[in-house]
Amino acid sequence: EVQLVESGGGLVQPGRSLTLSCAASGFTFDEHAMHWVRQAPGKGLEWVSGISWNSGARDYADSVKGRFTISRDNAKNSLYLQMNNLRPEDTALYYCAKDIEGTVTPGGDSWGQGTQVTVSS
Amino acid sequence: QSALTQPRSVSGSPGQSVTISCTGTSSDVGDYNFVSWYQQHPGRAPKLMIYDVSKRPSGVPDRFSGSKSGNTASLTISGLQAEDEADYYCCSYAGTYTLVFGGGTKLTVV
Repeated sequence: EVQLVESGGGLVQPGRSLTLSCAASGFTFDEHAMHWVRQAPGKGLEWVSGISWNSGARDYADSVKGRFTISRDNAKNSLYLQMNNLRPEDTALYYCAKDIEGTVTPGGDSWGQGTQVTVSS
Repeated sequence: QSALTQPRSVSGSPGQSVTISCTGTSSDVGDYNFVSWYQQHPGRAPKLMIYDVSKRPSGVPDRFSGSKSGNTASLTISGLQAEDEADYYCCSYAGTYTLVFGGGTKLTVV
């Protein structure tokens, strides 16, 4: 059974940093691209970032480009999101999602339960 | 990276069919056959219902189908059931390893 468990969320002041982690199990992690998707309270889904199976391709939503960095450690079956210079509008539930393919596609076939990030002074 | 356009809400009666549209541009929906649809019940993580425009993951009922014409993708749910009531989101590849979601559509089964 595929399991994705996010961690690292919390309450942080504007301008500060936070790193999210996603521990994956139940599938061959290094064969699949991975994504971070967020959902602000009462709002829709927003794709944040994606990374290919071998980290050779990665990109970001314009809203986070230059502030967030996605990475993965295939030896540890883990996905990360380093978030710098956080803003109140980054407040959301952050989901980790497994791609159906090894490269970035919109096919996220398994999702974690999310970790809450709240940016507030 | 502008969000794809979906109707805010649709409704149907049990047994009927409903179609949710998702309009993008020639840089996303119109340029790639990589459109997915997600179902999200309140307080739950999204669930993949359709990928690559019209493919269904295993376990998804064949009542759910997807299609695309030009810059608009569509999700059709036939034989509506009460448990289909949820929010639905489309998502498209938008080039250079980026994705874009639609704003979401609330489906009410009346």
